[in-house]
Amino acid sequence: GENVEQHPSTLSVQEGDSAVIKCTYSDSASNYFPWYKQELGKRPQLIIDIRSNVGEKKDQRIAVTLNKTAKHFSLHITETQPEDSAVYFCAASEGVTGGGNKLTFGTGTQLKVEL
Amino acid sequence: DGGITQSPKYLFRKEGQNVTLSCEQNLNHDAMYWYRQDPGQGLRLIYYSQIVNDFQKGDIAEGYSVSREKKESFPLTVTSAQKNPTAFYLCASSRTDRNTEAFFGQGTRLTVV
Repeated sequence: GENVEQHPSTLSVQEGDSAVIKCTYSDSASNYFPWYKQELGKRPQLIIDIRSNVGEKKDQRIAVTLNKTAKHFSLHITETQPEDSAVYFCAASEGVTGGGNKLTFGTGTQLKVEL
Repeated sequence: DGGITQSPKYLFRKEGQNVTLSCEQNLNHDAMYWYRQDPGQGLRLIYYSQIVNDFQKGDIAEGYSVSREKKESFPLTVTSAQKNPTAFYLCASSRTDRNTEAFFGQGTRLTVV
């Protein structure tokens, strides 16, 4: 099955700096790569996703890049703010017969944005 | 917050007892999922269902059971056979189009003593 590795496990940056979180996946059939943000005690929420026919996607201060050949994808957050502090999870999915996504998650990155 | 609701938020049970976690959605989604979250291990898939009266095992199904009698509901039972049931359980739902967003409930923290 799919295996997703995520690094680093913790990341501390100064407000205004950029943060980068990296993930690798094992199954070349995976074609959907979402990123979720989970604040303490709350539900994970999708912040950005990318499909395998695209190499990069940007939404304001957040961007994701995908390298299918190397099987890795990364989350980039620019101009970090204290409210960006949370746990971020990457995931990979190839979709399943009959529909839907069988997501395999990375182990998460605790991002702390310091003032 | 609306759309997908889990209850209760906190649940305590004695060892050896079965317990059922509730998950209800009003998003008209066909697919529903149960994940378990442990510190440092991310989210792991327990069971998923793509249509009423059908469900599939995920990566860590042992010691769990589910039912899908209604489109809106996907309850998870943690049985006494689950060796380490204390965890944070998350339910999610999505459309059955491929590569679409999964929406999560707020989770149930189960503690077995």
